[in-house]
Amino acid sequence: GQQLNQSPQSMFIQEGEDVSMNCTSSSIFNTWLWYKQDPGEGPVLLIALYKAGELTSNGRLTAQFGITRKDSFLNISASIPSDVGIYFCAGRPNTDKLIFGTGTRLQVFP
Amino acid sequence: ETGVTQSPTHLIKTRGQQVTLRCSSQSGHNTVSWYQQALGQGPQFIFQYYREEENGRGNFPPRFSGLQFPNYSSELNVNALELDDSALYLCASSRLTSGGSTDTQYFGPGTRLTVL
Repeated sequence: GQQLNQSPQSMFIQEGEDVSMNCTSSSIFNTWLWYKQDPGEGPVLLIALYKAGELTSNGRLTAQFGITRKDSFLNISASIPSDVGIYFCAGRPNTDKLIFGTGTRLQVFP
Repeated sequence: ETGVTQSPTHLIKTRGQQVTLRCSSQSGHNTVSWYQQALGQGPQFIFQYYREEENGRGNFPPRFSGLQFPNYSSELNVNALELDDSALYLCASSRLTSGGSTDTQYFGPGTRLTVL
């Protein structure tokens, strides 16, 4: 099935460092979403973006909806151990489905 | 906690069997979407239900079917199970308005299906 290109595939960082990940698509989306998934759990919504160019923050997280509507990025500032997990971007082309990225696995070392 | 619940949490079946997975949507939501997540992959859209009817379908064969009930809860049925059906099955609820716009989808914890 279709999946968005998400990079990097994995990151190993030290506590306190900033993190940046991005997602690209060959198609235009009306909505971009970022989710975090812990092992054995469902994805948890972090940030939702609804307009091209939109920049939205949620605590230490900041995400942007690309102007071309084909990309988005997520930044995490001052990482902490509980940031560990898999981060997925998801684009919504219409009302019925989300198309997910391949995921970025984040590991934070103390 | 999203308020979306799924049962069972784990299930083991053998090839050729049939399985039914259940999902209760978040209060105030009228739409349920189902996703399949293979190990190491992102979730893949199976289908969505709104007003008890299928409202969009991904690239899955007809042996994947579903139901939505008047209380907006939903079932996913898979017939003639294959080994590749082993995955985490996620449901997500959202609110679709009559104007066609929809709020964000919130996911349940998933059902881990293993096919032997």
